[in-house]
Amino acid sequence: DVKVTQSSRYLVKRTGEKVFLECVQDMDHENMFWYRQDPGLGLRLIYFSYDVKMKEKGDIPEGYSVSREKKERFSLILESASTNQTSMYLCASSSRNLRDKETQYFGPGTRLLVL
Amino acid sequence: ILNVEQSPQSLHVQEGDSTNFTCSFPSSNFYALHWYRWETAKSPEALFVMTLNGDEKKKGRISATLNTKEGYSYLYIKGSQPEDSATYLCAFMVAYGNKLVFGAGTILRVKS
Repeated sequence: DVKVTQSSRYLVKRTGEKVFLECVQDMDHENMFWYRQDPGLGLRLIYFSYDVKMKEKGDIPEGYSVSREKKERFSLILESASTNQTSMYLCASSSRNLRDKETQYFGPGTRLLVL
Repeated sequence: ILNVEQSPQSLHVQEGDSTNFTCSFPSSNFYALHWYRWETAKSPEALFVMTLNGDEKKKGRISATLNTKEGYSYLYIKGSQPEDSATYLCAFMVAYGNKLVFGAGTILRVKS
């Protein structure tokens, strides 16, 4: 059974704090993704990684950075949290195996509130 | 910027009703169209991945069709049940990348 886990389900932080969101997958997937979900906007891609130590900006990377030191772990970092980063954050992973057609497998999400 | 549109935004139906939603996407540089179901307090999970024009996929009471030439996909649910209540997301994958572009989703609520 495929599994993507995220370090926290709920998180409350203060403006200006540095925030780490961790994601771990146990499927040996090459690709990992970070999204945020806001009402009426769908999932928007923040960053993704297609290999260890590789990263690419998504559609809304400003105010975020990422780290992928190991294949199974992809971290999202908010260098200085702001109230407009209050959101639901979802991590996903996928395989480059063509048979899987790059289906993404999602974690349960982290609901972050920045005060 | 690629745009994926889903309609309707939300839908309330009675148990036993059949329903359908639409996903519109760019018709150029098409690689795949994904459908996901996202139940409250759970992770989004894949329903279908469709790649060929004219594709039809079925899983139980849920089915989907794909028209890549005109850029749309339909998701059908036959005889809706309360457990079908969820947000249904479609996502478009371009030919030159491994990213998905998601629509805003259709929220389905089935009343018993």
